[in-house]
Amino acid sequence: GNSVTQMEGPVTLSEEAFLTINCTYTATGYPSLFWYVQYPGEGLQLLLKATKADDKGSNKGFEATYRKETTSFHLEKGSVQVSDSAVYFCALSDRWSGGSNYKLTFGKGTLLTVNP
Amino acid sequence: EAQVTQNPRYLITVTGKKLTVTCSQNMNHEYMSWYRQDPGLGLRQIYYSMNVEVTDKGDVPEGYKVSRKEKRNFPLILESPSPNQTSLYFCASSLARGSGQPQHFGDGTRLSIL
Repeated sequence: GNSVTQMEGPVTLSEEAFLTINCTYTATGYPSLFWYVQYPGEGLQLLLKATKADDKGSNKGFEATYRKETTSFHLEKGSVQVSDSAVYFCALSDRWSGGSNYKLTFGKGTLLTVNP
Repeated sequence: EAQVTQNPRYLITVTGKKLTVTCSQNMNHEYMSWYRQDPGLGLRQIYYSMNVEVTDKGDVPEGYKVSRKEKRNFPLILESPSPNQTSLYFCASSLARGSGQPQHFGDGTRLSIL
C-alpha cells in the first residue's frame, strides 16, 4: 500500500534559519504530492503541491521538488519566520490506487517552532 | 469566502449517546471525506463520498456512518460512541477531477467520549 515517511521532529530553529523537512513516499501508482500546514487550533491548509516528476511546488517562500528517482518530496525554506511555526504534513494521493477515492495518505507531521 | 464548516468545534459527551458532526462546503465540490487525527497515528480516512448518494468506507470506518443527501453537506454520525472514538475530526472537500486536486479542510471537531 501507500505510505509517507517524514521526519517527526520537533524541529526548533531561530528566525532566518534554513529549513528542511524530509519526506519520502511509497506508492503503487503515480501519486500527486502535497505539503499541508496546520496552525494551532486550525484545519490543514494546502501549502504546495506537485503532480508529476521534477515538478517544483512553491508558496510563501517554501519549495519542494517531486523526485521520482528517490521517491522524495522534501520541504525547504531559505529563511524561516516566527509566523511559520506550525505542524507540517507531507501527503500523497495516488490516482491509480482504486478509482474514485482521492484519499490523502499523510505522514505523521513535523512540529516546527521558530524562535525570534 | 470558500470554506468547509464543521460543527460543533468541541464536544464532550458520554458513551452510547448518539451524536452527529456536521460538515458543509460552499465550493460545489463533488468529493468529500472525513479523517480522524490521533497522536502517533496521524490522519486516517474514515469515509468518503464522490457525489450525492455515493459514499464508501475509508481505512477506519468502524463505529461511524455518513450520508450525502445534498452536495454541500456530509455529516458524520456516531450511533453509539465509545471512548476509543475520542479524537480530532476533519472534514475535507475537493473537485472530483483527479488526485492532483487540493483538498480543503474544515477547522476540526474535537470529540471527547467519556
